[in-house]
Amino acid sequence: EPEVTQTPSHQVTQMGQEVILRCVPISNHLYFYWYRQILGQKVEFLVSFYNNEISEKSEIFDDQFSVERPDGSNFTLKIRSTKLEDSAMYFCASSEAVTLNTEAFFGQGTRLTVV
Amino acid sequence: GEDVEQSLFLSVREGDSSVINCTYTDSSSTYLYWYKQEPGAGLQLLTYIFSNMDMKQDQRLTVLLNKKDKHLSLRIADTQTGDSAIYFCAESRGGSYIPTFGRGTSLIVHP
Repeated sequence: EPEVTQTPSHQVTQMGQEVILRCVPISNHLYFYWYRQILGQKVEFLVSFYNNEISEKSEIFDDQFSVERPDGSNFTLKIRSTKLEDSAMYFCASSEAVTLNTEAFFGQGTRLTVV
Repeated sequence: GEDVEQSLFLSVREGDSSVINCTYTDSSSTYLYWYKQEPGAGLQLLTYIFSNMDMKQDQRLTVLLNKKDKHLSLRIADTQTGDSAIYFCAESRGGSYIPTFGRGTSLIVHP
């Protein structure tokens, strides 16, 4: 069964460093998303991406964040100058379309720890 | 604004029914969802319900929606140890199928 894969599963980085979280969406999917969950808090929407453009983003997704689809298979989230409060589980998701009957498939997440 | 609240933990005995509750604040919510996250895995869509429905049943799962009270519940009949997971309630409005999630309820099933 096709699945969304994320690497690494756990990333530890020093405050102020840049990190890139990687995702390989399902191959025929066109819509891509990043969510995050700070420990004990809600899963929060960060950004959606379609046709090589950001289609929607939340207030959390400020200039510190960027997304890219550098090739035909990867979808990345870059966090510049990480802060302690960026520590969270980051989930990537993809879907064929943006309709109710089209399920978004989630990856297993990357746990980012900023020290 | 959108807000989804759910309790953090639920413990049940194997074979009993589990009921996971959720409340939401956005009266324009059109679609409500339940997702499941098993350890080390991503979020998996279990079921969804339109806001104009009261109930949806799918095998052991029953979703009840009280739109007046903005209350959603997920009932799992004959709960098994394999049902142990985190269950997320989510909602979205018409025109956007990007769900807003709650914190998740950890369901612990013990023998």
